[in-house]
Amino acid sequence: GENVEQHPSTLSVQEGDSAVIKCTYSDSASNYFPWYKQELGKGPQLIIDIRSNVGEKKDQRIAVTLNKTAKHFSLHITETQPEDSAVYFCAVGDGNKLVFGAGTILRVKS
Amino acid sequence: DAGVIQSPRHEVTEMGQEVTLRCKPISGHDYLFWYRQTMMRGLELLIYFNNNVPIDDSGMPEDRFSAKMPNASFSTLKIQPSEPRDSAVYFCASSQGTGFVFFGPGTRLTVL
Repeated sequence: GENVEQHPSTLSVQEGDSAVIKCTYSDSASNYFPWYKQELGKGPQLIIDIRSNVGEKKDQRIAVTLNKTAKHFSLHITETQPEDSAVYFCAVGDGNKLVFGAGTILRVKS
Repeated sequence: DAGVIQSPRHEVTEMGQEVTLRCKPISGHDYLFWYRQTMMRGLELLIYFNNNVPIDDSGMPEDRFSAKMPNASFSTLKIQPSEPRDSAVYFCASSQGTGFVFFGPGTRLTVL
């Protein structure tokens, strides 16, 4: 089955700096790569996603890049703010079910 | 739209008791997923349904776990008998099969 590895497990940045989280996957047939943000006591919330026919996607301060050849994708958050502090999960899917990475705890220090 | 609705939000029970978790997916979504989240194992897919039919239950840990979807707007996850190692947050999620999966707020289960 699909295996998803996510790094780093924790990340601390100063407010205003950028944060980058990386994931690798094993199944070359996977074609959907979302990122979720989970705040304390809540369910994961989709923040951005990318499909296999696209290399990069941006939404304001958030971007995702995909390298299908190397089977890795990354989440980039620019100009981080304290409210960006949360757990971030990458996931890999085939259009139906998703397999999740282990998560990254992001702390933005003000 | 109210989003995915789960009940109860918190459940505390004693070992050996039956536990039933409930979920109402987003209207119009034909995929429903049950996930379990623990510190040790992260987010694990337990089972998912398409058009009320179970498609993949390979993540269901043991026969003590069962899930049903009697109609498009309701699903249950049952644990009988419950054990302390079942303590976790259980999420229900739904999608239209396009990949966009929306999660509910979760049920925090504690088995004493």
